[in-house]
Order: sequence, then C-alpha cells, then structure tokens
Amino acid sequence: DADVTQTPRNRITKTGKRIMLECSQTKGHDRMYWYRQDPGLGLRLIYYSFDVKDINKGEISDGYSVSRQAQAKFSLSLESAIPNQTALYFCATSDWASESNTGELFFGEGSRLTVL
Amino acid sequence: GESVGLHLPTLSVQEGDNSIINCAYSNSASDYFIWYKQESGKGPQFIIDIRSNMDKRQGQRVTVLLNKTVKHLSLQIAATQPGDSAVYFCAENIGDDKIIFGKGTRLHILP
Repeated sequence: DADVTQTPRNRITKTGKRIMLECSQTKGHDRMYWYRQDPGLGLRLIYYSFDVKDINKGEISDGYSVSRQAQAKFSLSLESAIPNQTALYFCATSDWASESNTGELFFGEGSRLTVL
Repeated sequence: GESVGLHLPTLSVQEGDNSIINCAYSNSASDYFIWYKQESGKGPQFIIDIRSNMDKRQGQRVTVLLNKTVKHLSLQIAATQPGDSAVYFCAENIGDDKIIFGKGTRLHILP
C-alpha cells in the first residue's frame, strides 16, 4: 500500500461545482503539503500544514481551501471550480527535521482534475 | 522575488555520458535545496539535497553543486542510463519551511 494516498485519482467536473481532493498518509509525518502541477510550470505550492492547528498559504492559495482533519489527513477543496483549475494535484508529507532544517517530501501519485 | 527556475526545459544526453542539469534561484535567504526526479505518471521522488553551508554533495552517481555567489544549483548525473529519463526539479526552502519548485527540465537519453 502507498504511504501517501490520494483520492480520487481522476475527476471530471463542471464549472461552479465544489470539489474535494483527499490525502491520507501512514508515514506519521506532521507536515503535509498540496501542490498543483501544470505543463511547463512545474509544481506550485497551494497550502501546507505543520500540524492539525497550523495551516499556511502557499504560492497560489486563491480559490482553494484546506482542512487538516487529523495528523494523517489533509484535504484540498475547490469551493467553486473553474476551468483554469484543471491540473494535476499532488499531496506530499515531509520528514522535516527542525534541528538540521532539512527534510524530504514524499508525494502521492496525484489527482488529475478536469473542470469543464 | 521568490522564484526557482531552470535554464533549459529539455536536455538530451547520450547514454553513458554525464548529464548536467542547471537551476537558478533568486531568494538569497534560501538555506536548503533539493533535487527531485519525476517519472511519467508518478509523483516526484527525492534525489539529493544540500544545505547552504555546503557547496558540493555527492550521492550514488549524482552530485549537487551550489554556487551561492551567483545563486546557481546544478545536478550532475554520472554515466547516464535509460532509467534516468525523467523530469528533474530543483526545489528550495525559501523560509518558514516553505518548499517551492522550479519549472523542471526533461532529460532525454539517446541510445
């Protein structure tokens, strides 16, 4: 089983619909991230969370919201989806070590969202 | 501004040759840099990292070089193999443990 699991893996929806992408992890990491990937633009950070009470905006948080329901779960919501939110979305966890300020991101397999 | 970028979007290398993938960053306060590899249909995977108090770090067949004077980061892959074909991203910690990525370089391996 994957350590970082994203659901759904693929979703097609219509403009104006509310969409939730879910992420769960079994790695026991406190830090979780949501990124968006578009062709030619790399990965852009949407939101990140250091624990259930700590949520931070990333580079492109407008139009998105998140919820950290538990240490293992971090969901991304699009309240009213629009076509330019069509992208591949990745959830990641981090084994960040505060003593050394280093850490590796562990990514899920991605959720492909198409907004018509 | 806060940005991490790549000099070339695509790099083609003969199998067996060494590959060098470059990255420029603009945030002088960044203290930690990471290279990730993304194979088709998968999420990125960690390759190697380097802290800002170092200028070189070696792994298995990979070396990361950091030049803080010109804000440049490179990934060197020795004896490139077909399995190295992927998109490579540099990433940086721009502060507050906020990790941002560059746009990526696609590495093609020629037979």
